[in-house]
Amino acid sequence: EIVLTQSPATLSLSPGERATLSCGASQSVSSSYLAWYQQKPGLAPRLLIYDASSRATGIPDRFSGSGSGTDFTLTISRLEPEDFAVYYCQQYGSSGTFGQGTRLEIK
Amino acid sequence: QVQLVQSGAEVKKPGASVKVSCKASGYTFTSYGISWVRQAPGQGLEWMGWISAYNGYTNYAQKLQGRVTMTTDTSTSTAYMELRSLRSDDTAVYYCARDGLGVFGFYWGQGTLVTVSS
Repeated sequence: EIVLTQSPATLSLSPGERATLSCGASQSVSSSYLAWYQQKPGLAPRLLIYDASSRATGIPDRFSGSGSGTDFTLTISRLEPEDFAVYYCQQYGSSGTFGQGTRLEIK
Repeated sequence: QVQLVQSGAEVKKPGASVKVSCKASGYTFTSYGISWVRQAPGQGLEWMGWISAYNGYTNYAQKLQGRVTMTTDTSTSTAYMELRSLRSDDTAVYYCARDGLGVFGFYWGQGTLVTVSS
C-alpha cells in the first residue's frame, strides 16, 4: 500500500502570502495519479487538482499542482481568506490512500 | 446537476452492522464508480474502497477487508456501504464520492454520521 506523508502538518500564513504544501509517497505514484482536496469544517472535501497538475472545474488559477513520482506540491500563489482550510492529497494509481492532511491557518 | 444524497445519521451498538445509502442523480449511474471515504471526529480522511456501478467490481482497503461490503442497485441509482462488527473506532462521518476524469472524489455526498456506542 502506498503511504502518503504531507508536510507541514500546520502552516500559518497571512492573506496575500504564498503557500507551498508537500505530499511525499512511499513509492512512485503511477501516471501521476495524485489529487488535492480542500476541506472546510463540517463540509465534504472539494476536489482542487487531479493528475498532479490539472485544475478541477471552477478552481481559481491561484491553485496549482506539480510533481511526479514520489514528490508532489500544491501551491496557492496568493492566499485569500477563504483558502484557510485543511488540504489532503490522495493517490489513485493503486487503491486510494490519503495523506494525513495539512492545516492552513491564518497567522 | 450531479447530486449524491446520503441516508441519515445512525447510532449503533458495538458488534452491530450499519448500511449507508448514497442515491445518485443527474448522470448515468452505470457510467461511473463510487468510492466510500470516512472521517473519524477531528481526524483525516480514510479511503474505504470503490465499486464500479457498471459491473459491481469492488476494491476494498486492506484494513477493512472482510468487514465491509459495497453494492449498487442500478434500478434506483443507489450505492450502499455495509460495515459489520462495528467498534467504537468506526465512529465517523461516512462519505460517498463519484468518479470523474479517473479521480475517485470528483463529486461528494453530504456525509452520514455513524456513531458506535454502547
